[in-house]
Amino acid sequence: GALVYQYPRRTICKSGTSMRMECQAVGFQATSVAWYRQSPQKTFELIALSTVNSAIKYEQNFTQEKFPISHPNLSFSSMTVLNAYLEDRGLYLCGASPQGGQNTLYFGAGTRLSVL
Amino acid sequence: QQKVQQSPESLIVPEGGMASLNCTSSDRNVDYFWWYRQHSGKSPKMLMSIFSNGEKEEGRFTVHLNKASLHTSLHIRDSQPSDSALYLCAASTDNRIFFGDGTQLVVKP
Repeated sequence: GALVYQYPRRTICKSGTSMRMECQAVGFQATSVAWYRQSPQKTFELIALSTVNSAIKYEQNFTQEKFPISHPNLSFSSMTVLNAYLEDRGLYLCGASPQGGQNTLYFGAGTRLSVL
Repeated sequence: QQKVQQSPESLIVPEGGMASLNCTSSDRNVDYFWWYRQHSGKSPKMLMSIFSNGEKEEGRFTVHLNKASLHTSLHIRDSQPSDSALYLCAASTDNRIFFGDGTQLVVKP
């Protein structure tokens, strides 16, 4: 079956530092990878959509300069949160799909980021 | 970014009762809808998808879609305590999938 692994599961970083999180698709080819953030207040925001052979598309309020994403092959993606502050806290979810748009997203368990 | 609105924010139903959850999109370009379920501390898992007008039933779960009003609803009959979770509505537009903030369902034994 289709599985998505994310690591680390939890991480704590000091305010102003950066942390990298990874997403691995197993059992299918992740043509599209969408990164989301679920805030402590439970808002669910799309950060960016990465599709192989296309430019990464960031949503409003999210930039490549703050959340650089790498999607080097069909099984792996990573995202870094640069200069993390309190407002960056939350559960970062990676949703991978064999194709974009109409296909179901398979989610990893997320990386929970705490910022001190 | 709030393209998907869900209501109510939270819902308590007795065991065996009917839970009804609503979802509307404000984006006229939305073309597909999904319902996901997220148990506490777990990742969201797709429950049902609906792409055409009408109704779709899978076991105790029924989804309705009205494409003209961009409204979908999820109904859970004979609710069980194990159905207690955050229910997320998702909609796609321009190959991107947006989620609402969810309805927290609690089924009381």
